[in-house]
Amino acid sequence: DAKTTQPTSMDCAEGRAANLPCNHSTISGNEYVYWYRQIHSQGPQYIIHGLKNNETNEMASLIITEDRKSSTLILPHATLRDTAVYYCIVRRIGTASKLTFGTGTRLQVTL
Amino acid sequence: NAGVTQTPKFQVLKTGQSMTLQCAQDMNHEYMSWYRQDPGMGLRLIHYSVGAGITDQGEVPNGYNVSRSTTEDFPLRLLSAAPSQTSVYFCASSSGAQETQYFGPGTRLLVL
Repeated sequence: DAKTTQPTSMDCAEGRAANLPCNHSTISGNEYVYWYRQIHSQGPQYIIHGLKNNETNEMASLIITEDRKSSTLILPHATLRDTAVYYCIVRRIGTASKLTFGTGTRLQVTL
Repeated sequence: NAGVTQTPKFQVLKTGQSMTLQCAQDMNHEYMSWYRQDPGMGLRLIHYSVGAGITDQGEVPNGYNVSRSTTEDFPLRLLSAAPSQTSVYFCASSSGAQETQYFGPGTRLLVL
């Protein structure tokens, strides 16, 4: 699976959009981009995933560049409850459920 | 649905003791996995299973055994606990290779 690079930490004001970047320059054509988050030592929670098209669900939007070498997770209106560690994970098609977690981005949402 | 449940929530062991961490899911998921998370780090895969009777090793399998006799349960056994196994353990399940994983609340293990 491709390696990912994320900033160690980010801050965001409550009510503003949080844009979390992820670099995955060695991604292959059969690899998806997944985002999970972990709130204060709870079990990780799935957010969104995509292959090459932009995706949106009730939690967030995922923007993947045309060359697929990077992506951005967007939380449109961050709240204090979105304070968490966000993990960007690249995973191959057809593999078992094996996720490789890095250290992620610690997002702090402030008043 | 209860989702993914783990017991116990917290456990203290002495070096050399053995124990089993329990994981169960009620979503009829085929795939189940065990991860450990050390302070300040991401999760690392210990063992995983793609169905009843089938298990395989992950990134850090040494010191741990697993079995999968039913779809619902995936216990993790520590044969002889060591201080290096002090960690938070998460169990996860998913309905297929491409499906998202659902995580349990974790078991915090302290080995003295």
